[in-house]
Amino acid sequence: KQEVTQIPAALSVPEGENLVLNCSFTDSAIYNLQWFRQDPGKGLTSLLLIQSSQREQTSGRLNASLDKSSGRSTLYIAASQPGDSATYLCAAPASYSGGGADGLTFGKGTHLIIQP
Amino acid sequence: GAVVSQHPSWVICKSGTSVKIECRSLDFQATTMFWYRQFPKQSLMLMATSNEGSKATYEQGVEKDKFLINHASLTLSTLTVTSAHPEDSSFYICSAATTGNSNQPQHFGDGTRLSIL
Repeated sequence: KQEVTQIPAALSVPEGENLVLNCSFTDSAIYNLQWFRQDPGKGLTSLLLIQSSQREQTSGRLNASLDKSSGRSTLYIAASQPGDSATYLCAAPASYSGGGADGLTFGKGTHLIIQP
Repeated sequence: GAVVSQHPSWVICKSGTSVKIECRSLDFQATTMFWYRQFPKQSLMLMATSNEGSKATYEQGVEKDKFLINHASLTLSTLTVTSAHPEDSSFYICSAATTGNSNQPQHFGDGTRLSIL
């Protein structure tokens, strides 16, 4: 059974700093890994999806890396802004159905606060 | 990008009431939809997988008679919480995906906050 762990649980930094959020997973036979953002009381916004064949994926100031062999992924946020304040969730497929879509196993998230 | 609409966004009702939550994919055909539950300060937990035209698959510990799922079309799945009790109060959120391309991101609705009095 897939388990996903995220550290730190919470992070507060001044704006402008670069920061790294960490995610680890127990079943390295994943075919992708997804990072999401969740604002308080809201749904999820997909940030990045990394396929198992990729090492990293970039979107704007966000860069996510994936190391399947070590069971780790990181989300790098460059030049952080107060608007980046949110909870960031890492998720991996809970199982593999053989080509179909699979439900996700989520970490507990990193609650990020960017101080103006 | 793909849009998933979830309705209602907030429900408050009395204990014993059944509540239906709708999840619609607005601009793509969702062969598979997923239902998750999130308790305060916890992460999302997968409840069930819903495939269009077939019975839902429930995760261990989720009562299928309590949480009725219907996925009658490629754009709509519903979750009915039957005879809801205060312990069912939670944030329920759906996601939609297209089978056959497991490397497409799942798209989530905005969630439904259910409060049972």
